[in-house]
Amino acid sequence: DAGVIQSPRHEVTEMGQEVTLRCKPISGHDYLFWYRQTMMRGLELLIYFNNNVPIDDSGMPEDRFSAKMPNASFSTLKIQPSEPRDSAVYFCASSLGTSGPTDTQYFGPGTRLTVL
Amino acid sequence: AQSVAQPEDQVKVAEGNPLTVKCTYSVSGNPYLFWYVQYPNRGLQFLLKYITGDNLVKGSYGFEAEFNKSQTSFHLKKPSALVSDSALYFCAVRDNSGNTPLVFGKGTRLSVIA
Repeated sequence: DAGVIQSPRHEVTEMGQEVTLRCKPISGHDYLFWYRQTMMRGLELLIYFNNNVPIDDSGMPEDRFSAKMPNASFSTLKIQPSEPRDSAVYFCASSLGTSGPTDTQYFGPGTRLTVL
Repeated sequence: AQSVAQPEDQVKVAEGNPLTVKCTYSVSGNPYLFWYVQYPNRGLQFLLKYITGDNLVKGSYGFEAEFNKSQTSFHLKKPSALVSDSALYFCAVRDNSGNTPLVFGKGTRLSVIA
């Protein structure tokens, strides 16, 4: 398996523009997680899905952020409109389950977002 | 609520010396504990985890961690550090009683000096 795939790897955009980040989880994994990493706040969980259904989106910072998972092999995180404070590295991760041997999360390489 | 603390932002050790990266946790039930490593410009990589059983857990790249219930700690250790071990290390915890996601610490930057 190729692991978790994220695209793009780097994104530079201007304030006010819409940004869409994409993630393909490991095949067969039922859970998908979106994280944001910054120097100031560390690694933050934004939202996670189970079988394509959002379970907890309490970490989504504002209404400008939205996430979807239309099928088991694809998820998007959208920021509209983007602001400079959204600049961060966004990670996607997936796991088989959330109990015992199945809850190891595997991370993608991340998308480095810069909002000018 | 569950939480994890990594009391050291940075740890420096000389190559060949033993290393320890500290982690303490708080959960309401029994913990599942994890260590991840992040190399520059890369995603987090799983190193090891404790679910139950033997308190000493062995993982990738010669790392191990010891679960200490009385001290609520899960320190990461390696007998002999390599320069290539220099990276950012994250401890994470979750409660094993329900479908709660992992909570990550803020990370500890390990620098191994040749």
